[in-house]
Amino acid sequence: SQTIHQWPATLVQPVGSPLSLECTVEGTSNPNLYWYRQAAGRGLQLLFYSVGIGQISSEVPQNLSASRPQDRQFILSSKKLLLSDSGFYLCAWTLRASQNTEAFFGQGTRLTVV
Amino acid sequence: DAKTTQPPSMDCAEGRAANLPCNHSTISGNEYVYWYRQIHSQGPQYIIHGLKNNETNEMASLIITEDRKSSTLILPHATLRDTAVYYCIVRGPTGGFKTIFGAGTRLFVKA
Repeated sequence: SQTIHQWPATLVQPVGSPLSLECTVEGTSNPNLYWYRQAAGRGLQLLFYSVGIGQISSEVPQNLSASRPQDRQFILSSKKLLLSDSGFYLCAWTLRASQNTEAFFGQGTRLTVV
Repeated sequence: DAKTTQPPSMDCAEGRAANLPCNHSTISGNEYVYWYRQIHSQGPQYIIHGLKNNETNEMASLIITEDRKSSTLILPHATLRDTAVYYCIVRGPTGGFKTIFGAGTRLFVKA
């Protein structure tokens, strides 16, 4: 069966420090991968999605970047964190081929920038 | 992708059916309606989806109106563990799951 791993679960980082969040998917090949952010009490905002290795699309301008070095690995990064980067970050995947497929989410990383 | 409108919150008594409405009046003919829920501090969990026919699985039922402009998610016997935020999403035909999740409906199941 397919599983998605996301770590760490919680993270407290000072302003100006770098960030690296990792997401890996098991049990499937060639997935579409997604990074979402959720501010406290708000809906999910799509940040990045990827349809293949090295292929990243950004949905909103921001202080973050994403990379996909391997088929089932998706990384969210920042060189210098801002207070506004605080939030709940979620990784998700879908099957690439079909449009009629649900997204599967990781358990999220709660980032607090102090 | 079409936008959706949901009530911000709802209450339901434990053991009773919870009926969560969603309006999607601008839905296109090839767009599906998806429902997810998010329990506090966890990732969203897929519940059910449909195109135009009513759907049922082990978790819930999805009723889509004939004009497809609205739908209702039904949890037949709500339990305290069903307390969560429920998201109604309309998914476009291309581009994977580039879906915008709105604020959803916060369902409180009370004993």
